[in-house]
Amino acid sequence: EAQVTQNPRYLITVTGKKLTVTCSQNMNHEYMSWYRQDPGLGLRQIYYSMNVEVTDKGDVPEGYKVSRKEKRNFPLILESPSPNQTSLYFCASRDSGLAESNEQFFGPGTRLTVL
Amino acid sequence: AQSVTQPDIHITVSEGASLELRCNYSYGATPYLFWYVQSPGQGLQLLLKYFSGDTLVQGIKGFEAEFKRSQSSFNLRKPSVHWSDAAEYFCAVAPRNAGNMLTFGGGTRLMVKP
Repeated sequence: EAQVTQNPRYLITVTGKKLTVTCSQNMNHEYMSWYRQDPGLGLRQIYYSMNVEVTDKGDVPEGYKVSRKEKRNFPLILESPSPNQTSLYFCASRDSGLAESNEQFFGPGTRLTVL
Repeated sequence: AQSVTQPDIHITVSEGASLELRCNYSYGATPYLFWYVQSPGQGLQLLLKYFSGDTLVQGIKGFEAEFKRSQSSFNLRKPSVHWSDAAEYFCAVAPRNAGNMLTFGGGTRLMVKP
């Protein structure tokens, strides 16, 4: 089954404790991205990656890091989480053949709470 | 600045009634347009998309949307709402030939009364 998976689905942590949220897709998509969803703000893009070893900032990159060492994986790293990073996070991927016109496939989301 | 606006944060309709969810965008040129649905506890699922051509677009689950260039709008409609349509709906746009940014509206939460 074609899908985007994220782990963990739920995470409660404390300020300053480094964490990583993993994202994996099995569709051989070149393009992957991370979003955060906050009430009334919709989804805002954190980082995206056009291909292996190619990443770029989205709208709200501060406090986050990403890496793209393999095509299928795109982990989101919070080196020193803060309470304002409490949010619902989504990973997405798409085929880059027709660039931005293509549908993005979303993972199930990771609900992060930073105390 | 580029933006996507969904003016209605919450909408409640009775089952069987018609539905229209509003979406307005502000871009220099017509972008690609999308509607996504998010059911409780789920990720986002694409309902429909507009690239070019016919301005009335048919999607899954009986939804359709109409692109109106003069109004910079892409409203989502359904003639008869089912209880299972209760969810949050997001309009999104992607500028043509301007990178890979998908910009979302704030979302509209739909509640369906029996």
